[in-house]
Amino acid sequence: IAGITQAPTSQILAAGRRMTLRCTQDMRHNAMYWYRQDLGLGLRLIHYSNTAGTTGKGEVPDGYSVSRANTDDFPLTLASAVPSQTSVYFCASSSDRLAGTDTQYFGPGTRLTVL
Amino acid sequence: QKEVEQDPGPLSVPEGAIVSLNCTYSNSAFQYFMWYRQYSRKGPELLMYTYSSGNKEDGRFTAQVDKSSKYISLFIRDSQPSDSATYLCAMISGGSNYKLTFGKGTLLTVNP
Repeated sequence: IAGITQAPTSQILAAGRRMTLRCTQDMRHNAMYWYRQDLGLGLRLIHYSNTAGTTGKGEVPDGYSVSRANTDDFPLTLASAVPSQTSVYFCASSSDRLAGTDTQYFGPGTRLTVL
Repeated sequence: QKEVEQDPGPLSVPEGAIVSLNCTYSNSAFQYFMWYRQYSRKGPELLMYTYSSGNKEDGRFTAQVDKSSKYISLFIRDSQPSDSATYLCAMISGGSNYKLTFGKGTLLTVNP
């Protein structure tokens, strides 16, 4: 069982380019999340999905979009990348977002540099 | 005041030392408390989970919650170089107002 996989591991991107970060989980979790982690700012939630077919905005959603066509996959798209989107991006999943005892499991991350 | 405060460190200790990591919070709605460990260039991994005031032990690790003081701690006994990582506290306010909030993390180095 792999858990959560993310691709690519790292990427350097020119500003203005479109980029999709991929995330796949094999735990049959209902909920999935995208975070960015920046020095001094910690983990910040970008978007989440309670279940396949639904998505919601987190703390810092501007400039990002997500889709959840099925249970396993939760891609994050940067339509037109800007240097402020340089960060480490983590995908996470959990069994049931609205359960008080729910815990999140994280992928290995994607390091994105926008020049 | 931020909802969750965590001293970023860095904290450097000799091998074998007892380590104390702490977070304070301001939101009384937080009901569930977690500690995540994050090694360099890796994703966070769940280390400890508690939901009530008091202590919970798991091997060399003890999580402590004091809801009256809005203060949580993680103690590491007999610290090892392999414990060197960033430790993040996290808290959940449950029910219809579900929200998971992370502290910014404390960088710990255990020197052999």
